[in-house]
Amino acid sequence: GNSVTQMEGPVTLSEEAFLTINCTYTATGYPSLFWYVQYPGEGLQLLLKATKADDKGSNKGFEATYRKETTSFHLEKGSVQVSDSAVYFCALENQGGKLIFGQGTELSVKP
Amino acid sequence: SAVISQKPSRDICQRGTSLTIQCQVDSQVTMMFWYRQQPGQSLTLIATANQGSEATYESGFVIDKFPISRPNLTFSTLTVSNMSPEDSSIYLCSVEGQGGISGANVLTFGAGSRLTVL
Repeated sequence: GNSVTQMEGPVTLSEEAFLTINCTYTATGYPSLFWYVQYPGEGLQLLLKATKADDKGSNKGFEATYRKETTSFHLEKGSVQVSDSAVYFCALENQGGKLIFGQGTELSVKP
Repeated sequence: SAVISQKPSRDICQRGTSLTIQCQVDSQVTMMFWYRQQPGQSLTLIATANQGSEATYESGFVIDKFPISRPNLTFSTLTVSNMSPEDSSIYLCSVEGQGGISGANVLTFGAGSRLTVL
């Protein structure tokens, strides 16, 4: 069945460092792919989305490109801030609008 | 996107008891989803709640353990029955709606209900 695999955390970076969080997927067809973010004490929020191969989703300085060749959707940001500290979830859209999530990657950004 | 309120935000429960979690949405939605996030793990879909029909449960989840109500298009409840320590999790309500990114339908989540079962 469909599945999502993320790099394990926690990831600890200094402010202004470059961020990459790896995400790979296994799926039949070409489902939409998502990154969600969960800030401390809050619910999950959609960060960005890509609906087809080669699409690039972007928001708040974060980017991810839908790569069907490598079945990947890696999250990147050129310069992280302390306020980016959160747990990041990669997900794919399964049938009926349901989402399959990766295990989450905790990011901690130090000043 | 929709605003979702969940109650309680957290609770500590005794083994063998049951707890009902409420989910209120500020707009009418067709489908509501209930997810579970066990400690250190990812989110797993429990069931889909549709107004006017029985909830649809995912593999590994049954109605006797997780009864769901959906009395109208803005409200749903999930009950965790006969709880054991293994039920200690964050339970999240989510709805499908028009997202603010790319104009695509995306899931919006509540803040979750953190249950600890002793």
